[in-house]
Amino acid sequence: GENVEQHPSTLSVQEGDSAVIKCTYSDSASNYFPWYKQELGKGPQLIIDIRSNVGEKKDQRIAVTLNKTAKHFSLHITETQPEDSAVYFCAASLKSNTGKLIFGQGTTLQVKP
Amino acid sequence: NAGVMQNPRHLVRRRGQEARLRCSPMKGHSHVYWYRQLPEEGLKFMVYLQKENIIDESGMPKERFSAEFPKEGPSILRIQQVVRGDSAAYFCASADRADSPLHFGNGTRLTVT
Repeated sequence: GENVEQHPSTLSVQEGDSAVIKCTYSDSASNYFPWYKQELGKGPQLIIDIRSNVGEKKDQRIAVTLNKTAKHFSLHITETQPEDSAVYFCAASLKSNTGKLIFGQGTTLQVKP
Repeated sequence: NAGVMQNPRHLVRRRGQEARLRCSPMKGHSHVYWYRQLPEEGLKFMVYLQKENIIDESGMPKERFSAEFPKEGPSILRIQQVVRGDSAAYFCASADRADSPLHFGNGTRLTVT
């Protein structure tokens, strides 16, 4: 069945450094790829998303890149801050039904001050 | 504009009891999704509903689980005769269209003793 693999499972960086999280997906029909941030005791919060008709999208310190040929996409956070510490999830779905998401296993990001 | 509201936040049930989880979508949203999250794992799709209709229940166990989204009132996820393996965080999400990004609530954490 459809699958999304996410790496690494944990990531520790110094404040100000960059963080990169990578995901691969199995269903070549997938064309919508959101990233969610989940803080302890809360629900996932959408931080950025990308659709298959673009290869890169940026929003301030956050960027996402997509390689449809290789079926992988990545989240890049620059100038990390302690408040970026959280669990990050990638996901994939069909653009026609973006709500039925296949999630990765999550990456726990720790930003050390 | 209130976000997705879920209640209760925490629910404790003994084995064999029933659990009822409620979700009020964001104002103007008619698409509701339920996801389950086991500890240390990503979210797994359960069911997708629009007002009064179940659109996709492919992720929901066929026995003991049911969901509804009536014309008036919140969406309800109902688990009958709960077992220890049902212990998890259950998240509701809503969208205004089938191809719009999801907004998640803060979840209901179900503990079965």
